[in-house]
Amino acid sequence: QSALTQPRSVSGSPGQSVTISCTGTSSDVGGYNYVSWYQQHPGKAPKLMIYDVDKRPSGVPDRFSGSKSGNTASLTISGLQAEDEADYYCCSYAGSYIWVFGGGTKLTVL
Amino acid sequence: QLQLQESGPGLVKPSETLSLTCTVSGGSISSSSYYWAWIRQPPGKGLEWIGSIYYSGSTYYNPSLKSRVTISVDTSKNQFSLKLSSVTAADTAVYYCARCQYTTSWRAFDIWGQGTMVTVSS
Repeated sequence: QSALTQPRSVSGSPGQSVTISCTGTSSDVGGYNYVSWYQQHPGKAPKLMIYDVDKRPSGVPDRFSGSKSGNTASLTISGLQAEDEADYYCCSYAGSYIWVFGGGTKLTVL
Repeated sequence: QLQLQESGPGLVKPSETLSLTCTVSGGSISSSSYYWAWIRQPPGKGLEWIGSIYYSGSTYYNPSLKSRVTISVDTSKNQFSLKLSSVTAADTAVYYCARCQYTTSWRAFDIWGQGTMVTVSS
């Protein structure tokens, strides 16, 4: 299976909102409601931010939200803060216990 | 609180086999709702799922790596392991182990190890 497609970079000013897209196919993103998003700061392990398209694990601020339409999932971060600057990766279940990640998006807080 | 810790050689020669172990602490690897996964990240690049294992020993591999990957589990030691054969420089990466929640209402990698850098070089 091929990697999911994400923009290489996005940016926004503190307080603004940004949206990161994640495009797959009907065999992964479009076929299952099991899209997750991970935040990764430099030199650190990824951290789960969103699971099952739009659910937040305990402790994740409600500024982070997820959605999906067809073969494209999206992560929206509202009220941008400096600490949100990081790399973000989407991941989708692709059936038969197989998973596929996106190429990652670098978020810059201006 | 569940924690995962990767261990193994940081340097592997080309054509040899990369071997890593993930030790699970603070919880049992034999829980029915979880799979256990290996994920890697080449320097400056994105994440790649390598494969997963259930405590019973059932394994699932990335088709692109399947011919070279073996994942095993030792429930008595609360560990699972990765072997990647015939490595090349392209296998140089940070290797993470992670817990995969796997139910009808939660499927994602919710807990990660800190990662271990493996370099393939002679």
